Amino acid sequence: SAVISQKPSRDICQRGTSLTIQCQVDSQVTMMFWYRQQPGQSLTLIATANQGSEATYESGFVIDKFPISRPNLTFSTLTVSNMSPEDSSIYLCSVETGFYEKLLFGSGTQLSVL
Amino acid sequence: GQQLNQSPQSMFIQEGEDVSMNCTSSSIFNTWLWYKQDPGEGPVLLIALYKAGELTSNGRLTAQFGITRKDSFLNISASIPSDVGIYFCAGRISGGGADGLTFGKGTHLIIQP
Repeated sequence: SAVISQKPSRDICQRGTSLTIQCQVDSQVTMMFWYRQQPGQSLTLIATANQGSEATYESGFVIDKFPISRPNLTFSTLTVSNMSPEDSSIYLCSVETGFYEKLLFGSGTQLSVL
Repeated sequence: GQQLNQSPQSMFIQEGEDVSMNCTSSSIFNTWLWYKQDPGEGPVLLIALYKAGELTSNGRLTAQFGITRKDSFLNISASIPSDVGIYFCAGRISGGGADGLTFGKGTHLIIQP
C-alpha cells in the first residue's frame, strides 16, 4: 500500500503567522484529503485536493484560511494561514488507494499556536 | 450529516483480557473501516469491511460488519501493552471519496500490566 510522508511532524508557531504542511506519496493517487484532529477529538475533513483543479472544501473551512495546492499526483500542501491558538491541532494528509476504498493516513503534523 | 456512535469512550483493562468495542449508526453504510492511532501518529488502518455479515480477522483483531449495515464491532483478544491507543471506526455510505466517510469519536484503550 502507499507510503505517505508528511512534514513537518510538529511545529510551534506564533499567532498571526502561516505554516505550510507538505504531503508526499510514493505512488500516484487521484484523490488526496486533508483532515484536522483537534485535541482529544475525532477526525474532521477539511478539503479534498484533486490534481488540476481547485480543492473542494467542507462546510466550515474556507480557502483563504486553508489554501491547498496539488501540483501533481504525488504531492499536496496545506497552509494554515493567520494562525490563532484555536488552530492548534493535528493536521493529517490522507489518500484513497486501491479498488477497495481504503483511506490511508500520513503520520500527521502536530501544530501548536502560541 | 451521518452520526456514528462509538462505545465505549474509554476502556481500562488488564493485560491478557479481551476487548470489545462497537459503532452504531442511524444510517446504512456500505463500508466500515477500523483504525488505531498511537500518540503523535496518524491513524493506521486495521481492518476494512465491505459486506453485511462479513467477519474479518487481522491477527488478534476481529471485526464484523453488522447484518443491518448500521453497526460494526471490533474485538481484540488477549490484549498486550502495545494495543494501547485510540481506536476509530469509520463508515461510508456511497462509493468513492473521503467526503462520504464518517468517523466515530474513538475508543481510548488503556492496559494495566
